[in-house]
Amino acid sequence: AQSVAQPEDQVNVAEGNPLTVKCTYSVSGNPYLFWYVQYPNRGLQFLLKYITGDNLVKGSYGFEAEFNKSQTSFHLKKPSALVSDSALYFCAVRGGDDYKLSFGAGTTVTVRA
Amino acid sequence: DSGVTQTPKHLITATGQRVTLRCSPRSGDLSVYWYQQSLDQGLQFLIQYYNGEERAKGNILERFSAQQFPDLHSELNLSSLELGDSALYFCASSVGGGDSSYEQYFGPGTRLTVT
Repeated sequence: AQSVAQPEDQVNVAEGNPLTVKCTYSVSGNPYLFWYVQYPNRGLQFLLKYITGDNLVKGSYGFEAEFNKSQTSFHLKKPSALVSDSALYFCAVRGGDDYKLSFGAGTTVTVRA
Repeated sequence: DSGVTQTPKHLITATGQRVTLRCSPRSGDLSVYWYQQSLDQGLQFLIQYYNGEERAKGNILERFSAQQFPDLHSELNLSSLELGDSALYFCASSVGGGDSSYEQYFGPGTRLTVT
């Protein structure tokens, strides 16, 4: 069975500071990893994905994520956070022949001005 | 705007009733996925259709069913509704179905309230 853990329910940072949202996963076979963001009363928006290749993946809105196979992690990062980055962030994984996308519980990011 | 549309946006109904949620995927996408989001369960995968055929099943109750039509729109039918079915229901679509690497694009959701 595949699963995702987002160990922090909330992350608070000051605007301009680096932002990191943590994600670890468990899956059989090679993982396909995704990050999504959800703003209040909106659907999820795709940010980036890791399929294969370079461990550092760049995505939308200045976000990037680093795949670490030995630590089974896929942390989301942004060098300089904006107030508008305040939202709910979800990590998701799909593995091998499993068509199901499994989501973590989500991390609420608050960026204070 | 993801290009995925869902109707209605809000639905209020009584226990025991039946409702139908509708989803139109992005142009060109063949797969449609349904998810349920609630505070206690988080985001749960319900079911996937690819080009009209059921492809994968998740935590979908027997009281729930779905189908994908020839024009690729999909409907999720919820029957014998219970208070616990109150949730946000999302539809998502992707280009492929057999390739796990495709990202999914989500609609705005239908908020179902069962009273």
